[in-house]
Amino acid sequence: GNSVTQMEGPVTLSEEAFLTINCTYTATGYPSLFWYVQYPGEGLQLLLKATKADDKGSNKGFEATYRKETTSFHLEKGSVQVSDSAVYFCALSDPDTGRRALTFGSGTRLQVQP
Amino acid sequence: EPEVTQTPSHQVTQMGQEVILRCVPISNHLYFYWYRQILGQKVEFLVSFYNNEISEKSEIFDDQFSVERPDGSNFTLKIRSTKLEDSAMYFCASSDDSGNQPQHFGDGTRLSIL
Repeated sequence: GNSVTQMEGPVTLSEEAFLTINCTYTATGYPSLFWYVQYPGEGLQLLLKATKADDKGSNKGFEATYRKETTSFHLEKGSVQVSDSAVYFCALSDPDTGRRALTFGSGTRLQVQP
Repeated sequence: EPEVTQTPSHQVTQMGQEVILRCVPISNHLYFYWYRQILGQKVEFLVSFYNNEISEKSEIFDDQFSVERPDGSNFTLKIRSTKLEDSAMYFCASSDDSGNQPQHFGDGTRLSIL
């Protein structure tokens, strides 16, 4: 079955540091890949997506590249801010196989200190 | 920007009672979903709904659960006889009919079973 593996958290960084959150996946088809963010007390917000190999999703300074050869979709940001503190979820769907349900990773908590 | 809205934000129910969680998906979306997140754990898929019927469901979605679209705007999740382990945050999501389009989530309903 499909699965998503994320690096364990929490990740604690100082403001303006470089962020990488690793995400790898297994899927039977050619999945679409997503990063969602959950701020404290809120729901899940789509951060970025990529739907085919070598696509780069980007939003709010965050980027992730769909790497089919390494089955990865690592999230990066060049300079984090305190306001980026949240839980980040990597997810996939596999619509080509008729499976639209999202499979989520376990989430990575990011804490950015001033 | 259109949003998915969920009510109530917090529901407290006695074990064994029935509970109905309500969602208003984005108006032009055709696919609807329920997910749950037990405290501190990953987000898990429950069920998806399209064209007035269930299109996918997980092993969590057993006979105590049901979904309904009673009118043109609401989408509900009913838990018939709640158990302590049903305590979780329940998220509704919707997406349009394109396979690669992301799901948009509501802010969730926190369900507490006593």
